[in-house]
Amino acid sequence: AQKITQTQPGMFVQEKEAVTLDCTYDTSDPSYGLFWYKQPSSGEMIFLIYQGSYDQQNATEGRYSLNFQKARKSANLVISASQLGDSAMYFCAMIKAAGNKLTFGGGTRVLVKP
Amino acid sequence: DGGITQSPKYLFRKEGQNVTLSCEQNLNHDAMYWYRQDPGQGLRLIYYSQIVNDFQKGDIAEGYSVSREKKESFPLTVTSAQKNPTAFYLCASSIRTSGGEQYFGPGTRLTVT
Repeated sequence: AQKITQTQPGMFVQEKEAVTLDCTYDTSDPSYGLFWYKQPSSGEMIFLIYQGSYDQQNATEGRYSLNFQKARKSANLVISASQLGDSAMYFCAMIKAAGNKLTFGGGTRVLVKP
Repeated sequence: DGGITQSPKYLFRKEGQNVTLSCEQNLNHDAMYWYRQDPGQGLRLIYYSQIVNDFQKGDIAEGYSVSREKKESFPLTVTSAQKNPTAFYLCASSIRTSGGEQYFGPGTRLTVT
């Protein structure tokens, strides 16, 4: 069975600073994908970034980067230059390469202070 | 604009009534999914469909039913057998039938009293 752990229930970050959201995972599958989603107060889940288990490079998408450490089974999200609009819940999730189910962590609430 | 629509955004029902939540996508995605989210928690998979006229149970399918008569539509019925139906329901789709990123609709918040 797959499991995702997000140990930070909530955190504050100053506007324009970087923030790192922790995510560790547990799986016995050799091939899998890791995702980060943002959920603002409106409720919609917004896809941010994807990392495949065999990808050699860490994924980046604009201000988002994924610090993938396969041996440690961690997939931390780094948001650079935080903006007020980054205030939201952030979920780490994973999927088997041949699977259909996204397994989600419990989420981390980020509040960006002006 | 391509995307996933769910309606309505808020839905109220009396206990004992069945209710159907709609989900439509115009992304031409093959796979569609229904997730449930309870307050302060991540999402859990209810049902998914990889192709028209076929669907599979997820982790918490009891008390729910789905249909997939058209590629773009995947409605979810919350039946009276669902013991705790009040929740936030999110529909998603993906272009790949396995392993790919899933894109979500805006969600429907169902309250049953």
